[in-house]
Amino acid sequence: DQQVKQNSPSLSVQEGRISILNCDYTNSMFDYFLWYKKYPAEGPTFLISISSIKDKNEDGRFTVFLNKSAKHLSLHIVPSQPGDSAVYFCAARGQTGANNLFFGTGTRLTVIP
Amino acid sequence: GAGVSQTPSNKVTEKGKYVELRCDPISGHTALYWYRQSLGQGPEFLIYFQGTGAADDSGLPNDRFFAVRPEGSVSTLKIQRTERGDSAVYLCASSPTLVVGAGELFFGEGSRLTVL
Repeated sequence: DQQVKQNSPSLSVQEGRISILNCDYTNSMFDYFLWYKKYPAEGPTFLISISSIKDKNEDGRFTVFLNKSAKHLSLHIVPSQPGDSAVYFCAARGQTGANNLFFGTGTRLTVIP
Repeated sequence: GAGVSQTPSNKVTEKGKYVELRCDPISGHTALYWYRQSLGQGPEFLIYFQGTGAADDSGLPNDRFFAVRPEGSVSTLKIQRTERGDSAVYLCASSPTLVVGAGELFFGEGSRLTVL
């Protein structure tokens, strides 16, 4: 039972344009959400996070939006750069103080120069 | 090194064999996690250590899987009587804090296990 879903396995975007990666979740008890980025043959690296008490968090070119009523979050990258090409995983924390993360299946982003 | 180190990076074994995968976390990180990533899937939680003790092992799929962290640093994931379905990338992560969110996870490159 996949509690965190990324329904788009891949996304291609032109350099300079906006990339929007989407994530849906089913468990309303999730209270903290993270995005990880993964290059081939490397482990995932933390990118950005958001608490459930917020609806937006911005860090440079990366912004995460959270819509709790829709159980949906998205990652916006603008402007997209070729170095952003990677697999992006959405993850959610089970409950306050819980230590296991539930990951989505990932979206492979390709930024075309 | 400065990051999480995992060995071996690649392990090919035969069905029924015993396998050990090692994780060397970032120095000083209290929390250590094991995740498993099967082909086409996201990482799946296996077990979490606070110091030497397994604080949450609810993700271990069955009793063939076991993990230890005897001195609160290096951890070993042990798989007995391996099955073809155990083939996956096993990811280790560490964190300087005990609660995800207060400090995000730092992942190693993973150990790719192939069971023939």
